[in-house]
Amino acid sequence: GQQLNQSPQSMFIQEGEDVSMNCTSSSIFNTWLWYKQDPGEGPVLLIALYKAGELTSNGRLTAQFGITRKDSFLNISASIPSDVGIYFCAVANFGNEKLTFGTGTRLTIIP
Amino acid sequence: DTAVSQTPKYLVTQMGNDKSIKCEQNLGHDTMYWYKQDSKKFLKIMFSYNNKELIINETVPNRFSPKSPDKAHLNLHINSLELGDSAVYFCASSPGLAGENTQYFGPGTRLTVL
Repeated sequence: GQQLNQSPQSMFIQEGEDVSMNCTSSSIFNTWLWYKQDPGEGPVLLIALYKAGELTSNGRLTAQFGITRKDSFLNISASIPSDVGIYFCAVANFGNEKLTFGTGTRLTIIP
Repeated sequence: DTAVSQTPKYLVTQMGNDKSIKCEQNLGHDTMYWYKQDSKKFLKIMFSYNNKELIINETVPNRFSPKSPDKAHLNLHINSLELGDSAVYFCASSPGLAGENTQYFGPGTRLTVL
């Protein structure tokens, strides 16, 4: 089946540090999404990318859709305690209802 | 003002029982989904309905039966519960197709089968 791998699997950082995580696929996709899941909650969309090479920001978050359409990265600058959670990438193709999620990156902030 | 709501939040039951989880969205979306998140946090789609019609069934055992009485509701009924069914189940909705529309998730239902 489709493999959507995220790395790193987990991160332990100090408040104020920048964070970088990525997501790679064995297949081409036209839509790349980044979601965040807080403990006990459902995933919430952070950034949506629809065009290869596209770089999009949302506050301290920046994500890029890889030019090969097989990868994406998410950066978080100047991390704060509320950034703690699990970050998922997800992919889909136009005209397809199915969203496939990555394996997740768990972010922990060390006091 | 809850966009996607699920009930119950927690469900603890014995193996072999039948249970239902309800989902409602007030966003006016056409498409609704059920996902299962296992203990390793892997999130996998189970079903998708568009305008009350089933459009995705990801090889889910037929003990799981989704029902969509109208566009705003997608309920999940599970027969003969097994230990492996323990997971968090998320409902989601989107205006249309996943490739072009954001999916909005409910808060999840944590099912524990004893």
